[in-house]
Parts: sequence; structure tokens; C-alpha cells
Amino acid sequence: DTGVSQDPRHKITKRGQNVTFRCDPISEHNRLYWYRQTLGQGPEFLTYFQNEAQLEKSRLLSDRFSAERPKGSFSTLEIQRTEQGDSAMYLCASSEGSGNTIYFGEGSWLTVV
Amino acid sequence: DQQVKQNSPSLSVQEGRISILNCDYTNSMFDYFLWYKKYPAEGPTFLISISSIKDKNEDGRFTVFLNKSAKHLSLHIVPSQPGDSAVYFCAARITGTASKLTFGTGTRLQVTL
Repeated sequence: DTGVSQDPRHKITKRGQNVTFRCDPISEHNRLYWYRQTLGQGPEFLTYFQNEAQLEKSRLLSDRFSAERPKGSFSTLEIQRTEQGDSAMYLCASSEGSGNTIYFGEGSWLTVV
Repeated sequence: DQQVKQNSPSLSVQEGRISILNCDYTNSMFDYFLWYKKYPAEGPTFLISISSIKDKNEDGRFTVFLNKSAKHLSLHIVPSQPGDSAVYFCAARITGTASKLTFGTGTRLQVTL
């Protein structure tokens, strides 16, 4: 399967703990995105990388959130000191540099209890 | 401020009939539109897209129509099949924003036998 891969698919954590999600984009896609989706809403943009450079961050991405893409391939999204409001599906997506279409992974569900 | 709106949260259609899903947008800078289909607990799957220089794009059973003056687009599915039952998201982007997408809140389509 050469689609966007995310891990873990589900994570339950206690409030205050740190969590990290990993995303492996489609091979040779140099753009990588993180989105968040809550119940009843569409996906909301969080941040975007072109190769290893993080070029844009949404104001939704508080200081507790950090994303990296150290070698321009896979990416990680870390949430520190999780809060119940962080419970959501975190979606990773990728696209070619000149492509208009972005392709999503299956998402990582986070539940903060 | 919801720049992409899907005002119908749900739609029920009989198998074999046409499904029409609607989407309105407010930002005239949007120049590329996409439709995604989403099953529960999975990431969005790309269906079809349209550039603002066109008013129609067709791919098999799926056709997207764009009315720029009305800032309205619609997705037609003909004939509808039970496997089409899912949540459909309309998304829009602005040239130069590196494919960052703004999503609507989705319409749940139920295709009945």
C-alpha cells in the first residue's frame, strides 16, 4: 500500500500526558499536512511542510503542539500536557509539489480522559 | 466564520436515483474545489475536483458543477449505490496557499434499497 500511513490509529491518554503521532506520506510527495477533525465538523488545517520546512501553522496549533519533519519524509505531531479538548481525529495528508489534490491518511483518533 | 458551507447535514436517496449534494462558499479568492468522501473512523477519500476556470467536471458516476457567480457547487452521483452511503465534504483552496484546504461541515448521504 503506497497511501498515507498514520500510527497509532487510536490513542487513549490521561489528561496531562504527552502523545505523539507519526505520519508517513505517499512516496515522493514533498508536501505534508496535518489536519484535525472533531465531531460534526470538517477537517481543520493545523500545519504544513514543504520537504523539511514547516511553512505555515494555524492559530489552532497552540504552544502545546509541535510538528516536525526532520528529513523531509515522515512527520511527527506531538501534543504536550493533553487536555480533554484535544480529543479529535488527527489527519495527515500529502501532495505533490505542483498538485492541487491532497491525499489523506486514515487518521489517528485521540481520546483524552 | 464558515467560508465553505454545506447547509444540508443529511440526505437520503433511493438506490438508482440521483444524489445531489450542495456546497456554498463565501470567499471569492477560492479557485479550486474538491469533494471528499468519508466513512466512519477513516480519513477522507478524494472523489473529484474542479478548477474555477471550468463549470463542470465528470468522472464516471460523479459530476461536479460550479457556478462562480452564485458561489455554489454541487456534486451529482448517478446512479446512487448503497456503497455511496458516507459523509461527503466539500473543500476549497486559494492559489498560492500550497493546497491548504478549507472544508465544509459535511453532508451525510444515505442510499436506501
